[in-house]
Amino acid sequence: DGGITQSPKYLFRKEGQNVTLSCEQNLNHDAMYWYRQDPGQGLRLIYYSQIVNDFQKGDIAEGYSVSREKKESFPLTVTSAQKNPTAFYLCASSRAIQNRGTGYTFGSGTRLTVV
Amino acid sequence: QQPVQSPQAVILREGEDAVINCSSSKALYSVHWYRQKHGEAPIFLMILLKGGEQKGHDKISASFNEKKQQSSLYLTASQLSYSGTYFCGTQDPNSNSGYALNFGKGTSLLVTP
Repeated sequence: DGGITQSPKYLFRKEGQNVTLSCEQNLNHDAMYWYRQDPGQGLRLIYYSQIVNDFQKGDIAEGYSVSREKKESFPLTVTSAQKNPTAFYLCASSRAIQNRGTGYTFGSGTRLTVV
Repeated sequence: QQPVQSPQAVILREGEDAVINCSSSKALYSVHWYRQKHGEAPIFLMILLKGGEQKGHDKISASFNEKKQQSSLYLTASQLSYSGTYFCGTQDPNSNSGYALNFGKGTSLLVTP
């Protein structure tokens, strides 16, 4: 079955350390997204990509970086510049950025904790 | 721009109905609705594209008003499985996020026996 795989499920980061969250999809979707979820805040957009080798900043991109070298993969790096990285991170994909008629498919998330 | 959802939380008994609202200050390209169980991935429920549109399946339906600034999700004869947090996601191509969805803060729904 097609879907989105996020790994790891749980991740612990030390202060000053960079960590990378993996997101892989086999849905043949063009667009991919990263959202951050904090209690009571909903989902906030970090980065999105419409096509391979192209990505744009979302509302809270500071302290994060991404790459889109393959259609299937959209990894997110949480850098040491992100001062409050503890959160639940969700990756999603869709057929096209304009997405008329179909919804997003989400991965099961990565819970990142700073220790 | 983040859409405004209301209410923040609602508690129902099995069989009761609920309405969740999602509003924006500007006309929207589309509205999506999702449900999320705690610690899990949000699941797509439906998308509305046209002003005045209504759609649904089983006992969950939604509407999009004529001005395309407000959407409502209707849950009728609620079941225990309806419990979770409901999010609306809106598209506004003229916003900073382009066609990417902006999500509301969510509505927590608890259905009790």
